[in-house]
Amino acid sequence: SYVLTQPPSVSVAPGQTARITCGGNNIGSKSVHWYQQKPGQAPVLVVYDDSDRPSGIPERFSGSNSGNTATLTISRVEAGDEADYYCQVWDSSSDHPGVFGTGTTVTVL
Amino acid sequence: QGQLVESGGGVVQPGRSLSLSCAASGFTFSDYGMHWVRQAPGKGLEWVAVLWHDGSNKNYADSVKGRFAISRDNSKNTLYLQMNSLRADDTAVYYCARDKCSGTSTTCYDYWGQGTLVTVSS
Repeated sequence: SYVLTQPPSVSVAPGQTARITCGGNNIGSKSVHWYQQKPGQAPVLVVYDDSDRPSGIPERFSGSNSGNTATLTISRVEAGDEADYYCQVWDSSSDHPGVFGTGTTVTVL
Repeated sequence: QGQLVESGGGVVQPGRSLSLSCAASGFTFSDYGMHWVRQAPGKGLEWVAVLWHDGSNKNYADSVKGRFAISRDNSKNTLYLQMNSLRADDTAVYYCARDKCSGTSTTCYDYWGQGTLVTVSS
C-alpha cells in the first residue's frame, strides 16, 4: 500500500515559518489534504486538494505539492498552532485506498 | 453547521463483537460518502473504512477486511461499523468523518465526531 512519510517533529519560534513535509512516491500526481490535531480533540481539516483552505482556516496555513513531496506551510506561527499534523491521500488504485502520513508534532518554542 | 456523534464504544473481550453508530445532523447525510478513522492510544491516524453516499460502494483497510462491516441508514442519518473478531490491536478511538470531497477522485474529511473509545482486553 501507499506510504506517506513525515518528519516526527518540527520546532519553530513564534512569528517564524514552519514547514512540514509529506513524502510519497509521485505524490504530486495525487491530491493531498492536511489535518491539525490538538491533544484530546478530533482532527481538523486545514488544507485540502493540495492548497485550498476550508472556511475559517487562517491564510497563514498554505500547501503545495510537487514531485515526491507535499508541504504544509504555517506562516507567522502562533502558540495555538502547536499540535500534531497529518497529511492524507486517497490511492484509488489500491485495495487499501485511505492513507494518512505518520504525523508531525509541531512545537512552538 | 454539521455535527457527527459517535456511540457504542466500550470494553470488549478479544474475539467478541461490538457495533458503533454515528448520528449525523445539520447537513444532507445522503449526499456524502462517510468514513471511519481510528487512532490507537498515542499513535497516528489510521483510515478504516468508507461507504459511498448511496451505499453503492465500500472499502476497508487491510487490517480490518473480513472482520468489520460498514453500513448506513440514510433515512436515519446514521452510519454504522460492525466490528467482529476483535483483537487487542483494534483498541483505539474510532471517529466517523464526512467526506467533503465526495464525488471527486479523492476523499477528505471536514466534519469529525468526537470519537468513541473501543478497548479490547480480557
